[in-house]
Amino acid sequence: NAGVMQNPRHLVRRRGQEARLRCSPMKGHSHVYWYRQLPEEGLKFMVYLQKENIIDESGMPKERFSAEFPKEGPSILRIQQVVRGDSAAYFCASSPITDRADTQYFGPGTRLTVL
Amino acid sequence: AQSVAQPEDQVNVAEGNPLTVKCTYSVSGNPYLFWYVQYPNRGLQFLLKYITGDNLVKGSYGFEAEFNKSQTSFHLKKPSALVSDSALYFCAVRLSGGSYIPTFGRGTSLIVHP
Repeated sequence: NAGVMQNPRHLVRRRGQEARLRCSPMKGHSHVYWYRQLPEEGLKFMVYLQKENIIDESGMPKERFSAEFPKEGPSILRIQQVVRGDSAAYFCASSPITDRADTQYFGPGTRLTVL
Repeated sequence: AQSVAQPEDQVNVAEGNPLTVKCTYSVSGNPYLFWYVQYPNRGLQFLLKYITGDNLVKGSYGFEAEFNKSQTSFHLKKPSALVSDSALYFCAVRLSGGSYIPTFGRGTSLIVHP
């Protein structure tokens, strides 16, 4: 059973460009969470999605950031007009059902560098 | 509201010695508690969790954690540290019946010296 897949693993963008980060959850998992990790900081929640639904986006900046989890295909976190402050590691996690006791399984992350 | 505190940014221990990584939590109800480990340039890996039942939880790689309700703590322990245990450790909490979004601590860097 393949784990959570994220691609690309490393992404370099110039200021003003768009960044698209992809996350394929574990097989059988229909819940995806996105987190951002900055150096010397912990893991910050961004958005929680189920297939075709955004459940909680309270951690996501209102401007330039969007996320989707279509019926088919991976979840995508999109950052428009990137700025240097967007440089960070972005992780997605998946879980099988809606249960607060569920373990989240994390992908390897995408490291975004904005030049 | 829910919160997690990992009071130590870094823990140093000699190989073969016991290790403890501390975690305290604050929730207004029954907590679900998790420990994850992150190796350099990798994602978080699940170690163990407390849901209910026995206060001592055993997990992967010889780690265990003890849930202490009166002290609102969930410290991670291992009887004999290995150099390969050196990594970043995160504690997380969810409230039973609360938000689906876990709250993570800031992480504790464990360094095991040969």
